[in-house]
Amino acid sequence: AQKVTQAQTEISVVEKEDVTLDCVYETRDTTYYLFWYKQPPSGELVFLIRRNSFDEQNEISGRYSWNFQKSTSSFNFTITASQVVDSAVYFCALSEHSGGGADGLTFGKGTHLIIQP
Amino acid sequence: GAGVSQTPSNKVTEKGKYVELRCDPISGHTALYWYRQSLGQGPEFLIYFQGTGAADDSGLPNDRFFAVRPEGSVSTLKIQRTERGDSAVYLCASSLIGRRGEQFFGPGTRLTVL
Repeated sequence: AQKVTQAQTEISVVEKEDVTLDCVYETRDTTYYLFWYKQPPSGELVFLIRRNSFDEQNEISGRYSWNFQKSTSSFNFTITASQVVDSAVYFCALSEHSGGGADGLTFGKGTHLIIQP
Repeated sequence: GAGVSQTPSNKVTEKGKYVELRCDPISGHTALYWYRQSLGQGPEFLIYFQGTGAADDSGLPNDRFFAVRPEGSVSTLKIQRTERGDSAVYLCASSLIGRRGEQFFGPGTRLTVL
């Protein structure tokens, strides 16, 4: 069965520090998709990135970067030079391509990121 | 364009009552999902529609929960004989291409069962 683990419940850093959010997943599928979502205090989940299992290239988008490593089943998210507006709960999620698992996303429990001014 | 909308934003009901929660997906999105999010947890999958049919309802916790999408657009999640444990935020999401694509979430309906 698919599973996503975000071991860090809460992280607090001072503004401008770099921070990495960890995500470890489990799946029996060889084709799958990994996602990160941001949930700000307003509550609405915001899509950040989707990565398929065949693309292990790291991705950078502005201050955000993602490190996908199949060998360790990890899909970590780094925010460089953090800002107060980055404060939110961040969720890692998994979707399997073939049947067997549910068709919805399987989410981790989330990491609450607090950026202090 | 308009995002996913959900009504009502808040619903307070008494134990044993029936409730309906509505989701209006992004126009043209054939895939629609319902999730439930309890405090301090990630969203938990309930049901997935592809068009009008429920392609996967394996996440519905029991037969008190039911969802429909009769015309392949708006969906309604129905909960009978509500229990205090049903209290949560119910999220709806839509997607253009199903499980492989990014899902766009609505603001959710906060259900409180007294």
